[in-house]
Amino acid sequence: AQSVTQPDIHITVSEGASLELRCNYSYGATPYLFWYVQSPGQGLQLLLKYFSGDTLVQGIKGFEAEFKRSQSSFNLRKPSVHWSDAAEYFCAVGINDYKLSFGAGTTVTVRA
Amino acid sequence: DAGVIQSPRHEVTEMGQEVTLRCKPISGHNSLFWYRQTMMRGLELLIYFNNNVPIDDSGMPEDRFSAKMPNASFSTLKIQPSEPRDSAVYFCASSLAQMGYGYTFGSGTRLTVV
Repeated sequence: AQSVTQPDIHITVSEGASLELRCNYSYGATPYLFWYVQSPGQGLQLLLKYFSGDTLVQGIKGFEAEFKRSQSSFNLRKPSVHWSDAAEYFCAVGINDYKLSFGAGTTVTVRA
Repeated sequence: DAGVIQSPRHEVTEMGQEVTLRCKPISGHNSLFWYRQTMMRGLELLIYFNNNVPIDDSGMPEDRFSAKMPNASFSTLKIQPSEPRDSAVYFCASSLAQMGYGYTFGSGTRLTVV
């Protein structure tokens, strides 16, 4: 069955430091892959998506992600985090025409 | 574009009462989803509508839950009777049919059943 694993439950990073969030998926074909961010009390906002083409995808808020088929990974990165990046981040895979399967999420804390 | 609009933002109700959650999708989106988010189970798809027709309701927990989409601009999720284990954040999301577009989520309704 298709699944998404986010190995890190919680990450703490200093403001200005780089951030990388890991995502591994299990899927038989080339998947549609997404990263969403959820700020406290808010809904999920789409950061970026991948479904074909260049394996390095640029998103909003300065985020990027790289699809690596050989590793079944779609890791999210940001070179320099801001305090406003503190949130929960969800990786998701499209498992059919309409259904997304979400990972458990990674909470990011940014320290001054 | 106002995005996906959900109401109410917060709902506190007593066990056994009926609860109705409301959603207005983005104009032009033909797919609508109801998700439930809990600490224990994460994000779960409850039901999916396409062009106002329920396509997949396999995630609806039990008969106490029902969802309708009478037109392209409105959907409801009803729980009757409510139970404490229904306490969660319920999200509505809409999208264009093609998976590559992803979803746009509403801000959610935080339901507490006491």
